[in-house]
Amino acid sequence: ILNVEQSPQSLHVQEGDSTNFTCSFPSSNFYALHWYRWETAKSPEALFVMTLNGDEKKKGRISATLNTKEGYSYLYIKGSQPEDSATYLCAFPGGGADGLTFGKGTHLIIQP
Amino acid sequence: ETGVTQSPTHLIKTRGQQVTLRCSSQSGHNTVSWYQQALGQGPQFIFQYYREEENGRGNFPPRFSGLQFPNYSSELNVNALELDDSALYLCASSLISGDPEQFFGPGTRLTVL
Repeated sequence: ILNVEQSPQSLHVQEGDSTNFTCSFPSSNFYALHWYRWETAKSPEALFVMTLNGDEKKKGRISATLNTKEGYSYLYIKGSQPEDSATYLCAFPGGGADGLTFGKGTHLIIQP
Repeated sequence: ETGVTQSPTHLIKTRGQQVTLRCSSQSGHNTVSWYQQALGQGPQFIFQYYREEENGRGNFPPRFSGLQFPNYSSELNVNALELDDSALYLCASSLISGDPEQFFGPGTRLTVL
C-alpha cells in the first residue's frame, strides 16, 4: 500500500504572504508526481506533473520542486491572493493500473 | 472541446439500494478512472476502464462495478449500498491508458441514509 503524506493539513495565510507545503511519497519505483488544485464545488485542476529528480516547474505565482531520492515535493505560492484558497492535492501513480494514490491534501485559506 | 462532466451532482439513497453514476469523458479521451473521496480523505482509486474493459482496480469490493461505452462515456454502479459509501465520487479521463495527466469532473455527492 502506497503512502502519500501531505503537510500541513490546513494553513491560514495572510494575503500577500508567500507560503509552501509538502508532499512525501515512496522514493522507490518513482514514476511521476502530480499536483492538483481543488476549489470548492469545482473539478480538481491539474497544476503540475513532475517526473525528473530536481525538476522545478512554475505556473504564474505557483511553483513546485521535486526530490525523488528523498521522496518529497514542495509547492510554493508567492504573494498569496484570495483566489489561491483551495485544497492542494498531490498524487502518485501506482495504486493499481494507472490509478493515482492521493494524499489527504493541504487546505489553504488566504485571509484578506 | 468540452471537459469531463458527471451526473447527477447530488444523490440520496437508502441502505441496500443500488445506484448508477454517470461520466462523460473529455473529447478524444479513451480512458476513464473512478475515485471515491470520503470525508477528510484524499480520493481513492476504484477502477479504470480502457476501450470498454476494466483495466485496473483498487481495493474496492465487487459490488462496485462499471461500464464504459463505445463513445467512452462511463458508469459507476454500486449495489447493496452501505452507509460508508456516502462520499464524493469523481471520474477522470485521460487521453490513453498510462497517460500521467488525468482530467477530473466535478463529482457526484452520494449520501446513503
